[in-house]
Amino acid sequence: TQLLEQSPQFLSIQEGENLTVYCNSSSVFSSLQWYRQEPGEGPVLLVTVVTGGEVKKLKRLTFQFGDARKDSSLHITAAQPGDTGLYLCAGVLGNYGGATNKLIFGTGTLLAVQP
Amino acid sequence: SQTIHQWPATLVQPVGSPLSLECTVEGTSNPNLYWYRQAAGRGLQLLFYSVGIGQISSEVPQNLSASRPQDRQFILSSKKLLLSDSGFYLCAWRGLAGSGELFFGEGSRLTVL
Repeated sequence: TQLLEQSPQFLSIQEGENLTVYCNSSSVFSSLQWYRQEPGEGPVLLVTVVTGGEVKKLKRLTFQFGDARKDSSLHITAAQPGDTGLYLCAGVLGNYGGATNKLIFGTGTLLAVQP
Repeated sequence: SQTIHQWPATLVQPVGSPLSLECTVEGTSNPNLYWYRQAAGRGLQLLFYSVGIGQISSEVPQNLSASRPQDRQFILSSKKLLLSDSGFYLCAWRGLAGSGELFFGEGSRLTVL
């Protein structure tokens, strides 16, 4: 059962444009992570958000955790071709830092930035 | 430093044949280990996770099974593959400190014909 829905599923934009990816759930998570995946490789962590309402910035990427810790967004400013990839959110179920935590991944957003 | 490896990288198997994918972690002890399956361009589906030797939690009913015979070894198996078992299989271990980041192996692409 997929608990995390991402939108949009696909996104093709021109270099320099801005975009936002959404990650929504009816479940409450102790924390939420965003990963980026290149074809044929495993996902790589971009950021973890823990507190409801938290905002983190990573260069041109801005991540926000919803106040109720059920949803998150990723905003990219002035997208570049190097941003192309599959973006995945992952919600952590269980107490933060707990030994038996499970990570449930979202449905994924495939981003293509055209030069 | 910690590393994770899984093999084989690519596998083409006929329907009804057995399967064994292996994953090993180095540089850490008693890691949480995970098996995920991914359809092309989509999210990861959690199949199994393990918090210790011989401890396996199954997330999705299916004809796959997992075993953890050693602390840093995690094996995904099937006695008889189905067409629907095709996909990209990823093994991961989780760091318990800080963010609890998942570190993934290189992935195994399975095609069942």
